[in-house]
Amino acid sequence: EDQVTQSPEALRLQEGESSSLNCSYTVSGLRGLFWYRQDPGKGPEFLFTLYSAGEEKEKERLKATLTKKESFLHITAPKPEDSATYLCAVQANTGGFKTIFGAGTRLFVKA
Amino acid sequence: DAGVIQSPRHEVTEMGQEVTLRCKPISGHNSLFWYRQTMMRGLELLIYFNNNVPIDDSGMPEDRFSAKMPNASFSTLKIQPSEPRDSAVYFCASSLGQNEKLFFGSGTQLSVL
Repeated sequence: EDQVTQSPEALRLQEGESSSLNCSYTVSGLRGLFWYRQDPGKGPEFLFTLYSAGEEKEKERLKATLTKKESFLHITAPKPEDSATYLCAVQANTGGFKTIFGAGTRLFVKA
Repeated sequence: DAGVIQSPRHEVTEMGQEVTLRCKPISGHNSLFWYRQTMMRGLELLIYFNNNVPIDDSGMPEDRFSAKMPNASFSTLKIQPSEPRDSAVYFCASSLGQNEKLFFGSGTQLSVL
């Protein structure tokens, strides 16, 4: 069964304190791995798509990386406005075009 | 670009009543997805459509749930009869293709008393 596990569940950082969020996945064959950001009371917002091991994508203070079993979302010098829930999702080569989401990591950045 | 539009934003109803949630996808998108989000289970895919045709409804929890997409610009998710355990945030999302990134609406917060 395709599965996505994110850790930690919650992460509290001081402004400027860099860290990483983890997404471990098991799928029959990876078509794509996605990162989304969700703010309270809103729908998830797309950040990145990664397709193959070794691929990296960057956007402002965020950098996503992918290996054969996991993905990391690195946050460099975070600011309070980076506080949100970060969701990891995968799409497998089998099972149609379902996008399966992890439970998310709630990030709190304190000024 | 108006984005994915969902209505109502909030719905409070009593157990046993029929509930209809509505979604207007982004114009030009040909795939539409219905998700449910709870603290316990996170985001769960209920059903998705491609070119207005239901492709996979294996996530629909029970026969009380049904979804339709009569045309490319409108979809509904209906719960009849509703139960307190159906309380959740229901999201609609659309994409240009089945394996593309998803654009989510703001969700419908459903409370069944």
